[in-house]
Amino acid sequence: DAGITQSPRHKVTETGTPVTLRCHQTENHRYMYWYRQDPGHGLRLIHYSYGVKDTDKGEVSDGYSVSRSKTEDFLLTLESATSSQTSVYFCAISEGGGTQYFGPGTRLTVL
Amino acid sequence: QKEVEQDPGPLSVPEGAIVSLNCTYSNSAFQYFMWYRQYSRKGPELLMYTYSSGNKEDGRFTAQVDKSSKYISLFIRDSQPSDSATYLCAMSAGAGNNRKLIWGLGTSLAVNP
Repeated sequence: DAGITQSPRHKVTETGTPVTLRCHQTENHRYMYWYRQDPGHGLRLIHYSYGVKDTDKGEVSDGYSVSRSKTEDFLLTLESATSSQTSVYFCAISEGGGTQYFGPGTRLTVL
Repeated sequence: QKEVEQDPGPLSVPEGAIVSLNCTYSNSAFQYFMWYRQYSRKGPELLMYTYSSGNKEDGRFTAQVDKSSKYISLFIRDSQPSDSATYLCAMSAGAGNNRKLIWGLGTSLAVNP
């Protein structure tokens, strides 16, 4: 987890509220990713970024938005949280060579 | 059919056993192959990385890639209780948008003292 932090680490929220998760890196890596991990589904890519202000959708992007205004920060926003978004969220970074390095994760519960 | 198939287990072995973990894939464009280890309530950590075909060894761990069979393996020799974790395979074609990793579901391994 060195060089990658996620905040908050745990969050409980109610359906319909907005939620923002933050990923911060000190490695100056170009690529950043947001995944969710659920039993039976494994790791699924939500959104990723290939540079400041450059983002693209992953396979499960509905209900999520992202922003990257600085190299070191990648924000994931749930505009109106639903119970189906209860999950563990991981941020990852990469220099682009194929390998990714993961943060410690955020456990989100939507009641 | 998923692009990457991985038996979820669970796999339970005695301490000292040789463990074999496997993934199969369907996309012949994959060039980069990775194994990650994930302890409970932690993020995945990169364990082994292989480009194209062949073997790679790192201590007790050996990664093999057989592109002709679209099959990759991770061997753990002299397994230890500390190896108890979920092992995830991942792969990519490596260029442009194909830098995205395609993941297996993970195999849960328990090494019993």
